Amino acid sequence: NAGVMQNPRHLVRRRGQEARLRCSPMKGHSHVYWYRQLPEEGLKFMVYLQKENIIDESGMPKERFSAEFPKEGPSILRIQQVVRGDSAAYFCASSPSGGYSYGYTFGSGTRLTVV
Amino acid sequence: SQQGEEDPQALSIQEGENATMNCSYKTSINNLQWYRQNSGRGLVHLILIRSNEREKHSGRLRVTLDTSKKSSSLLITASRAADTASYFCATDGNQFYFGTGTSLTVIP
Repeated sequence: NAGVMQNPRHLVRRRGQEARLRCSPMKGHSHVYWYRQLPEEGLKFMVYLQKENIIDESGMPKERFSAEFPKEGPSILRIQQVVRGDSAAYFCASSPSGGYSYGYTFGSGTRLTVV
Repeated sequence: SQQGEEDPQALSIQEGENATMNCSYKTSINNLQWYRQNSGRGLVHLILIRSNEREKHSGRLRVTLDTSKKSSSLLITASRAADTASYFCATDGNQFYFGTGTSLTVIP
């Protein structure tokens, strides 16, 4: 069991470029969550997805950020026209159900640096 | 906000000592979880305690939950240098809410 796989581990983008972060959940997990961790801060919830559905995107910035979890393939967090303030670690977690009873399995994160 | 808040923000102890971290939250919960994050790594789930439980043990970890005070504590006994990490509590909901963590440093 490979666990939650996130790639790339490190991503450097220039201001104005697009960043695509990928997350493959654990086998058998159909619920995916994205979190952002700014330097010296805790994790902040961004979005909760099931296959082909966005369940809760209350933590997503209104502009430039989008997420998807297609029927086939990994979940993608997309940041358009990146700015320096987007520099952070982005963590993905998966769970087999709504997560209430099982907790999450987290990936190692993608560290995005905007230069 | 239902966010968990950990206390203290930072803790430094000698190897072999016990470390206690606290977490407070604001609204009713179904369960509370503790996670560990080593520097530059992802979160690792440590332990889950349900709202009808008062205490739970896992190896050197002991978690208590007081729903009347909306607080939880994580005790790490006989600490080791490898326990150096940030520790987060998280409460449930449609998504889990995390506090900013307690940064624990165990000095060899």
